[in-house]
Amino acid sequence: DTAVSQTPKYLVTQMGNDKSIKCEQNLGHDTMYWYKQDSKKFLKIMFSYNNKELIINETVPNRFSPKSPDKAHLNLHINSLELGDSAVYFCASSRRDRGRLETQYFGPGTRLLVL
Amino acid sequence: AQSVTQLGSHVSVSEGALVLLRCNYSSSVPPYLFWYVQYPNQGLQLLLKYTTGATLVKGINGFEAEFKKSETSFHLTKPSAHMSDAAEYFCAVSPGAGGTSYGKLTFGQGTILTVHP
Repeated sequence: DTAVSQTPKYLVTQMGNDKSIKCEQNLGHDTMYWYKQDSKKFLKIMFSYNNKELIINETVPNRFSPKSPDKAHLNLHINSLELGDSAVYFCASSRRDRGRLETQYFGPGTRLLVL
Repeated sequence: AQSVTQLGSHVSVSEGALVLLRCNYSSSVPPYLFWYVQYPNQGLQLLLKYTTGATLVKGINGFEAEFKKSETSFHLTKPSAHMSDAAEYFCAVSPGAGGTSYGKLTFGQGTILTVHP
């Protein structure tokens, strides 16, 4: 009964390729996020969607494009992968309660290695 | 604007000893504060959180943290360390009531806790 799941768990690919990471949550939450954790373990938010609407878009190269087909899914597509994209990508979800966002629950992460 | 500083990237304690992981924050609005734990090759798990009300919050696995507004701190403690507590711990802040509440969690750089037998 995984709450927030991500696929794949590991992704090894060549520079220049295009790849996607999928995220699904079964918590009934209406807000989902993508975070990037770099080699120094620094976690930084990339995107957030609420009810399929983009609400947070940090300074991220436009090679990264999130897509939310419905409230339970937020996928991350990356074009023209670069060495610097190697990181762990975490998906998270939360619900909005009276205008405030509650605790974020994280997925297990996708470890991306670009060669 | 918000930021988090975790003092000490590595903390080492003996089994049974007190665990103290330090976190200081900066926020332009009253904050929500969180501690997450990350075990090797796993995702983040929520330990505890402070939103409003009681400033001493208790979490899972015997951890607790105290929100001190005057010191802008939210240190994490556990009276007696267990080997299974070895992990990396992240403090995080987000805007609370009155802030632009779009869930922008800002994390500290993490503290690796090592527990010796």
